[in-house]
Amino acid sequence: TQLLEQSPQFLSIQEGENLTVYCNSSSVFSSLQWYRQEPGEGPVLLVTVVTGGEVKKLKRLTFQFGDARKDSSLHITAAQPGDTGLYLCAGLQTHGANSKLTFGKGITLSVRP
Amino acid sequence: EAQVTQNPRYLITVTGKKLTVTCSQNMNHEYMSWYRQDPGLGLRQIYYSMNVEVTDKGDVPEGYKVSRKEKRNFPLILESPSPNQTSLYFCASSWRGHNQPQHFGDGTRLSIL
Repeated sequence: TQLLEQSPQFLSIQEGENLTVYCNSSSVFSSLQWYRQEPGEGPVLLVTVVTGGEVKKLKRLTFQFGDARKDSSLHITAAQPGDTGLYLCAGLQTHGANSKLTFGKGITLSVRP
Repeated sequence: EAQVTQNPRYLITVTGKKLTVTCSQNMNHEYMSWYRQDPGLGLRQIYYSMNVEVTDKGDVPEGYKVSRKEKRNFPLILESPSPNQTSLYFCASSWRGHNQPQHFGDGTRLSIL
């Protein structure tokens, strides 16, 4: 069973459209990170959300952490071809002095000009 | 420029021939880790290191070794590579651990024939 489920797995949209993708779990996380990975490169951090209900904006990207800290969403307004990439969420779980970061499988987004 | 550098970027080799993938970071980060990325399985952690001379197994450590003799370097060693280790490998680093932004290298694509 995957700890973090990302949906949809694949999304192909036209430039200018809006979209929302999701990162869901039955587990509680201390924080959640979102990364974007482009072909031939490593993932690059977009944002970290820490507080339940927190909303963070990065230009046209809006990230929200669920109230119960079990899920997160990413909304992109007026998508552009430059938004194309693999979007990964990663949840942090802490147990005393130990912690573990688990990645979801990712969402492949293609924005057509 | 702050970066994580992996070498080689691409390698095709044969079963059983020992290989090392190097990873170096210039950000004075204490924490370093190795991931493999496979279609349908996402990013899975192989090994991580909280500091010099301190290494721990991740989720999929079988068939791999690591060492952390210096702060900046964290090589991944495949003593006897097998075809199921064909994958895209990423090295990552952060200041102190999982709860901080991970800085990834650009990846090493390994093919074991």
